[in-house]
Amino acid sequence: GAVVSQHPSRVICKSGTSVKIECRSLDFQATTMFWYRQFPKKSLMLMATSNEGSKATYEQGVEKDKFLINHASLTLSTLTVTSAHPEDSSFYICSATREWGKETQYFGPGTRLLVL
Amino acid sequence: AQKVTQAQTEISVVEKEDVTLDCVYETRDTTYYLFWYKQPPSGELVFLIRRNSFDEQNEISGRYSWNFQKSTSSFNFTITASQVVDSAVYFCALSEARSGAGGSYIPTFGRGTSLIVHP
Repeated sequence: GAVVSQHPSRVICKSGTSVKIECRSLDFQATTMFWYRQFPKKSLMLMATSNEGSKATYEQGVEKDKFLINHASLTLSTLTVTSAHPEDSSFYICSATREWGKETQYFGPGTRLLVL
Repeated sequence: AQKVTQAQTEISVVEKEDVTLDCVYETRDTTYYLFWYKQPPSGELVFLIRRNSFDEQNEISGRYSWNFQKSTSSFNFTITASQVVDSAVYFCALSEARSGAGGSYIPTFGRGTSLIVHP
C-alpha cells in the first residue's frame, strides 16, 4: 500500500506557459502532501507543505505566486508552475503522509520539467 | 550547519565488494526518525528503511544492513557483495517534528552519495 502517483512523468513546454503537475495518493488518504524540487546531482529541496482544504505553507525563498499549490482533496494535490522559464526546469517530486504514521513520507515517481 | 551529512559524494566499487555509506545527523529532538532512500537513474525514490530514535537495534535485510549509533549520531548503511543494480544515488534523511505544521514530520535530506558498481 501507500502508492503515490504523479502526472505527467515528463513535460516539455515553451517559456511563458504554465504547467500543472498532479500528485495522487492511490490507496490511502493523504492528510498532508509535500512538493520537492531536485536539480541534477543535487539533493531534494522542500518547496511547500500542503494540507487538504487549507493554504500551502511555502519554504523560505519559494515564490508562492510562481508555484501554485492546490490540495483540493485527500487524494490530490496539484503544483502549477506559472509563466515557466528555463530556470524552472527541474525534477519535481511530491510525497504524502497518512493521518497515522506521519513520520513516513511516500514519494511519487517525479516529474521532469523542461522549459525551452 | 547541515543537519544530515553524507560526506561521501561518490563511491566507486567493483561488483561483489562490500561498501558502507556514511550518514551523520544533527538534532536536538529526542524523538526523530532516520531514513535511507535509493534513487536509481529513473529518479523515483525507493524507500529502504526507517528507524526511530528509540530503536538502536541494527538491522539486516538481505545484502543491506544498517548501523544506528546515537552516541556518534550516525546511521550508516552497508551493502554486502554489491551488484551492478545497486548503482544509484543513496540519500539519508532525518525527520523531525515541525511545530505549526499540523504534526508533520519534515525530512531533511543529505546531499546524497552516488554509488557506482562496476561489473
